[in-house]
Amino acid sequence: NAGVTQTPKFQVLKTGQSMTLQCAQDMNHEYMSWYRQDPGMGLRLIHYSVGAGITDQGEVPNGYNVSRSTTEDFPLRLLSAAPSQTSVYFCASKGTFKETQYFGPGTRLLVL
Amino acid sequence: GESVGLHLPTLSVQEGDNSIINCAYSNSASDYFIWYKQESGKGPQFIIDIRSNMDKRQGQRVTVLLNKTVKHLSLQIAATQPGDSAVYFCAETRHISSGSARQLTFGSGTQLTVLP
Repeated sequence: NAGVTQTPKFQVLKTGQSMTLQCAQDMNHEYMSWYRQDPGMGLRLIHYSVGAGITDQGEVPNGYNVSRSTTEDFPLRLLSAAPSQTSVYFCASKGTFKETQYFGPGTRLLVL
Repeated sequence: GESVGLHLPTLSVQEGDNSIINCAYSNSASDYFIWYKQESGKGPQFIIDIRSNMDKRQGQRVTVLLNKTVKHLSLQIAATQPGDSAVYFCAETRHISSGSARQLTFGSGTQLTVLP
């Protein structure tokens, strides 16, 4: 199993541009989530999904959209990037009724 | 408010010594706690977990202690090795409304440096 994969590894955007961060997992996990990691602030939950077709907001959802059309994929969309969205983004997944979340390698995003 | 925080942002230990990383949490409803290790440029990696009905759990070279009275948990690493150098996060979870979903709240992290 590849586990949780994320693309791209690194991205530079200009303010106002849009992009999609990709996340995929091959463990048949129902639960997937997106976090952002900023210096000195740990990881904060952006959006999560408990299964295909179901998404919900986390702690810091503003400026981000998600969808979950398949169990495997959980893309995160930035419709109009802002410098405040400069961060490292991690996708994670876990099985139903399991507690341990498995994290991807992260996407480093710089918004100029 | 809810928070999960760490007492020390950095910790340096000699190779072979034991390391103790502390974490405080404020939400009494938290019933499950996890320690993650994050190496530079990588995602967090699960180390060990503990449920609120336990006060101690041991793994390979690692022990987690939970003190619910003072809302404190710690991660002890025995015979610290250079490969243990990383940022360590504690995280707490509690049930939220959506079925089996849980919200995972992370602390800010402690940088552990192992000195030769």
